[in-house]
Parts: sequence; C-alpha cells; structure tokens
Amino acid sequence: DTEVTQTPKHLVMGMTNKKSLKCEQHMGHRAMYWYKQKAKKPPELMFVYSYEKLSINESVPSRFSPECPNSSLLNLHLHALQPEDSALYLCASSVRTGSLDSLTTQYFGPGTRLTVL
Amino acid sequence: AQSVTQLGSHVSVSEGALVLLRCNYSSSVPPYLFWYVQYPNQGLQLLLKYTSAATLVKGINGFEAEFKKSETSFHLTKPSAHMSDAAEYFCAVSDGVDSSYKLIFGSGTRLLVRP
Repeated sequence: DTEVTQTPKHLVMGMTNKKSLKCEQHMGHRAMYWYKQKAKKPPELMFVYSYEKLSINESVPSRFSPECPNSSLLNLHLHALQPEDSALYLCASSVRTGSLDSLTTQYFGPGTRLTVL
Repeated sequence: AQSVTQLGSHVSVSEGALVLLRCNYSSSVPPYLFWYVQYPNQGLQLLLKYTSAATLVKGINGFEAEFKKSETSFHLTKPSAHMSDAAEYFCAVSDGVDSSYKLIFGSGTRLLVRP
C-alpha cells in the first residue's frame, strides 16, 4: 500500500483565519514533505521532515508553520495568508533508510486545494 | 545543482499513436530520475523511475523510459496512446541535501489525446 491521505480536499479561508492541513501515511516512512503547486506549474518544495525533525525549509514565509507530531502525521498550520498563497498543497513521503533507490522515491497524496480570499 | 528540462509544454497525439515526452537532465553525479503523472485536480502518481539498475525502465499503464547517459536524456514513451493518458507529465530528478532528498521537477508537459 503506497497511500498518502490529505485532509481537507478543499479549503477556503480569509486572510485573518487560522487553519491547518493534515497529511497521514501508514507505510512506515520516516521522511515527509510539503510541496506547493500553483496552477500550470510544477510542485515546489516547502519543507522536509526526517525522523520527525525539520531538515529542509526552503525559505518559506513564517505564515506557514509545519509540524510533525509523530511518524505518521504531518500538519501545515496556516495563519494570515495572502491571496497569492492560493494553490494546491501536496504532501509526500518516502523511506528514510535503505537503498538510494528507496530513499529517493516519493509517494504523493491527492493534495488540498487552498483558496485564500 | 541538479535540474531537468522538459521540451514542449504541450504535446498532442491521436489515439493509438506513439507518445514521446522529452526530458533532459543536468547532474554532476549519477542521477535518480522519475516520471510522474498528474490528472486534473489530483496529486502526483509515480509512473516509473531510473535508479541505475537498468537503462530501459518499464512503468505503469504501458509507459517506459530509456536512460541515455551520452544524451543526458530520459524520454518517456508509450507505443499507443489512449484517451485516458491525457494528463500533465512531470520529469523529476532527486537531489540529496544532508542525507535528505528532494525532487527537482521539470516544468511539465501536458499530453492531449485526440480521438
């Protein structure tokens, strides 16, 4: 089973709201990722968690706050977003030990479509 | 730094025709290369990957790709297009940073299949 789930599927929020995106996997993967994808563009990496610790932050604004409370769950907390933050937010996961083959292979969830008004 | 270039933002083929989507990579080390497909309003699905075991890689849905080091290419092909193949296709290379790996994506190619 290579399933990554994300909730909610769609989210509409105002610029003063606080909301959270959730990502879950039960494959035993210990690396988890957040990507942002604007319309007609490729995904862009935001954060990488390795063994529940933040290992890569791609200079993302502080209004995006990631959290990895356990090995199966990844959250993205949103606060004071701007309309230009509207996008598809994708979560992915991969194993953290083993061959380079498995380390580099990421499995994606279906995404959360975020609209900021 | 690793990078990939996808030639052609749109490719249009007739149903039953050969599909060829182009990807060239730039890498200072042996690359790990991937093709992902994205259907409208969905996430990314792994089609296939090259990890140095074999230069011709077979994936899901009848797709395959050939790694050519001399041409720094990893083009995706399918002998006969089906209407259900219409989607966005992304080529990606893995870049390792401090033992974490991130994917660097190409700009994507939208495949249109004409009946």
